[in-house]
Order: sequence, then structure tokens, then C-alpha cells
Amino acid sequence: EAGVTQFPSHSVIEKGQTVTLRCDPISGHDNLYWYRRVMGKEIKFLLHFVKESKQDESGMPNNRFLAERTGGTYSTLKVQPAELEDSGVYFCASSQDLRSYGYTFGSGTRLTVV
Amino acid sequence: AQKITQTQPGMFVQEKEAVTLDCTYDTSDQSYGLFWYKQPSSGEMIFLIYQGSYDEQNATEGRYSLNFQKARKSANLVISASQLGDSAMYFCAMRATSGGSYIPTFGRGTSLIVHP
Repeated sequence: EAGVTQFPSHSVIEKGQTVTLRCDPISGHDNLYWYRRVMGKEIKFLLHFVKESKQDESGMPNNRFLAERTGGTYSTLKVQPAELEDSGVYFCASSQDLRSYGYTFGSGTRLTVV
Repeated sequence: AQKITQTQPGMFVQEKEAVTLDCTYDTSDQSYGLFWYKQPSSGEMIFLIYQGSYDEQNATEGRYSLNFQKARKSANLVISASQLGDSAMYFCAMRATSGGSYIPTFGRGTSLIVHP
């Protein structure tokens, strides 16, 4: 089975620009999670979708971040306008069951805001 | 709230030796699970091992074992017979398994370098 796919793998944008990250979960996985890791710090939870609904978005830093999950399939995370502190690696993970412990992660998108 | 602490930003080990990566946690949940993930330079996060808080035996998966000491709230990862391919970032994580938040909380990670 195909894994969790994220693209782009890298993105370098200027402060003030907009970037959209995409995540394709494993087919059939209702649960989709976004995480972010800033260099040297913890992997921080951003939000959790169950199908197309946002179950928990308590980790979203501010209203410059907008996540969507169209039809319960792929998800996008848009940052607009990007700030320097948004730089980091954005991970997406999916799981079939909320109680699963074997979350499958994508390879992440490394975002650099200059 | 849950908190994971990994105090070792970097570790070095010689090939074929064993290495222990430290992880301590804090939680008010009575039932929880602890995970370890590996992130090689390619970027993907690979699930390694899981330990339930009520599991009586320490979890083992091949060369990986989890040294779970509940009273000390520690869940150290032990890699036996290190291989060059074990060089990677290692993340400890936890989440509730009954009530509480099912969203995993991660630590900062430990960078492991295995040298010949």
C-alpha cells in the first residue's frame, strides 16, 4: 500500500508570501494529523481531521494557518502570509483508528521562510 | 497535559555496541501508551516500538527494546548491536489510551550517530 505522501518536499519562500502544503494520507485512513517541528524543538501537534471534519485544531499557531481536507481525502495546509518563525518541517500522519498506535507519517515538507 | 523530555540532543555509539536513548514523561492519564519513532536523513518518520502503561513486560521488537520504568516515568529505548543504518533522529512520544487526548505528544528528539 502507498504510504503518506507529502509535497513539496522542500519550499523556500519570502516573508509575506503564501505557501500551500499538501498531504495525501493512506487510502481509507479517516484520521489525518498535521505536526510541525522547528529545528531543535519538539514535534508539535497542529491539528487533527476525522474525514473532512476538524476534530482538534488546538495546535494551530494563529489565523495565518488554514487547513482543509477536501472530501475526507487529501489535506492542504496554507500559510498566508508566511513569517520567518513559520520555518520548520511540517509532517502529516494518518491512522485508520483514532486509537491506533502505528501512525504512518509522511516524509515531511521542509519550509524555509526568508 | 502530557510532556515528553529527551535530555540527550546527540549520542554517539560505535558499531555493534548497544546504546540507550533516554525518555522521561509526565502525564495525569492513568492509561497511556509510549512510542518511539526513527527519522533517518530521508525524512520519513518510522514507527519502532510501543509500550502500554499496563503492559507487564517491556516491549521488544528485534534489536529494539523499551526499558519501561513506570515509577520513574521513564521509557528508554535500547538499541542492541548498533548498525550504521541506525544513524538517525529518534523521537519518543506518548498519548492517552483511555480518556484524555489520543493525540501523541512528542519530545525534541535525540540524534544518534553510529560510527564504524
